[in-house]
Amino acid sequence: DAGVIQSPRHEVTEMGQEVTLRCKPISGHNSLFWYRQTMMRGLELLIYFNNNVPIDDSGMPEDRFSAKMPNASFSTLKIQPSEPRDSAVYFCASSPWTGWSNQPQHFGDGTRLSIL
Amino acid sequence: GESVGLHLPTLSVQEGDNSIINCAYSNSASDYFIWYKQESGKGPQFIIDIRSNMDKRQGQRVTVLLNKTVKHLSLQIAATQPGDSAVYFCAPNQGGKLIFGQGTELSVKP
Repeated sequence: DAGVIQSPRHEVTEMGQEVTLRCKPISGHNSLFWYRQTMMRGLELLIYFNNNVPIDDSGMPEDRFSAKMPNASFSTLKIQPSEPRDSAVYFCASSPWTGWSNQPQHFGDGTRLSIL
Repeated sequence: GESVGLHLPTLSVQEGDNSIINCAYSNSASDYFIWYKQESGKGPQFIIDIRSNMDKRQGQRVTVLLNKTVKHLSLQIAATQPGDSAVYFCAPNQGGKLIFGQGTELSVKP
């Protein structure tokens, strides 16, 4: 079975540029999560969706960050304009959401982002 | 809020020995807990989970123990192998959100 698929795996760009990270969740999973991982702050939840609707975006650092989920099989995380402090590994995860029973989240292998 | 702490940031064990990784959590309302393994260059990989109505759950070579009284979890890995070398995270789930600590790095000596 295909897991969570993220692209690109690596991205290097200059500050000020727009960055778009992409995620395809596991088929049938209706919850999608975006995380950021750094040495200093560990794994932080940025935003999550249930049934394509953003539920909690309290972890999004600032207005430069935005996320969309236009359909059940695709999500994007956009940073515009990017800054060097945005450099991190960004993970997407998905899980089946039953509404009454927690289920584990399954992670992609991440996008390593470097802003010069 | 939830904070997660780990008793040891690093753990080194001999191949074949059993490993025990500990985790403390702060929010008594946490009702579901997941252990993840993260290898270099990869995303966290689900190992095992446990719900708050249980105190023990076993998987293949792994056992998770939950003590709600003292808000403590442990992950036991039997017959540790070199392939078990990774960073391990416990993640309490509260309201659909996972709270990750800094992790414990497990090194297995051949």
